Amino acid sequence: DAGVIQSPRHEVTEMGQEVTLRCKPISGHDYLFWYRQTMMRGLELLIYFNNNVPIDDSGMPEDRFSAKMPNASFSTLKIQPSEPRDSAVYFCASSFLGVSNQPQHFGDGTRLSIL
Amino acid sequence: AQSVAQPEDQVNVAEGNPLTVKCTYSVSGNPYLFWYVQYPNRGLQFLLKYITGDNLVKGSYGFEAEFNKSQTSFHLKKPSALVSDSALYFCGCYNFNKFYFGSGTKLNVKP
Repeated sequence: DAGVIQSPRHEVTEMGQEVTLRCKPISGHDYLFWYRQTMMRGLELLIYFNNNVPIDDSGMPEDRFSAKMPNASFSTLKIQPSEPRDSAVYFCASSFLGVSNQPQHFGDGTRLSIL
Repeated sequence: AQSVAQPEDQVNVAEGNPLTVKCTYSVSGNPYLFWYVQYPNRGLQFLLKYITGDNLVKGSYGFEAEFNKSQTSFHLKKPSALVSDSALYFCGCYNFNKFYFGSGTKLNVKP
């Protein structure tokens, strides 16, 4: 049973470039979450979707960040233009049938470094 | 402001001894509370949750947590620590459509 799959696992790019992070949730899960983890700020929820519809994007830091979920099996998080302060580990997670009372299943993350 | 606090950045315990990782919350209403564990270079893994009912919740890998409404705490416990329990532990809650996570506590279990 495949878990949440994120790609790439590592990304190094120069400031100003567009960055696209990808996530494939567990099949059948109807909630998808994007998180960012840094030493300074800890774990932050950026946005989450239910049935492909964004429910709460209040954690998205600024307009340079955007997330889409075109179908139930794929989501992207884009940063354009990227800045060094965007360097972090980005996690995707999915859950089934509940946002609060069901465990979230996390991918192994994308480690993003902006030079 | 609503928040979750993990007052200890790090907890050190000897293998075989009981462990406690502390968590307090400051949210209105009746939040759902949970614990996750993170191993190096991996995503978080769910340990346990409290929604309602018995204040003592049992979870994965022998962990349990005690909900205390009067103290607004949800401490994670294990009767006998293993070296393999060494990891980063996150407490969190969900309330009024918002998620709140603590800053994480690094647990070191020494042989």
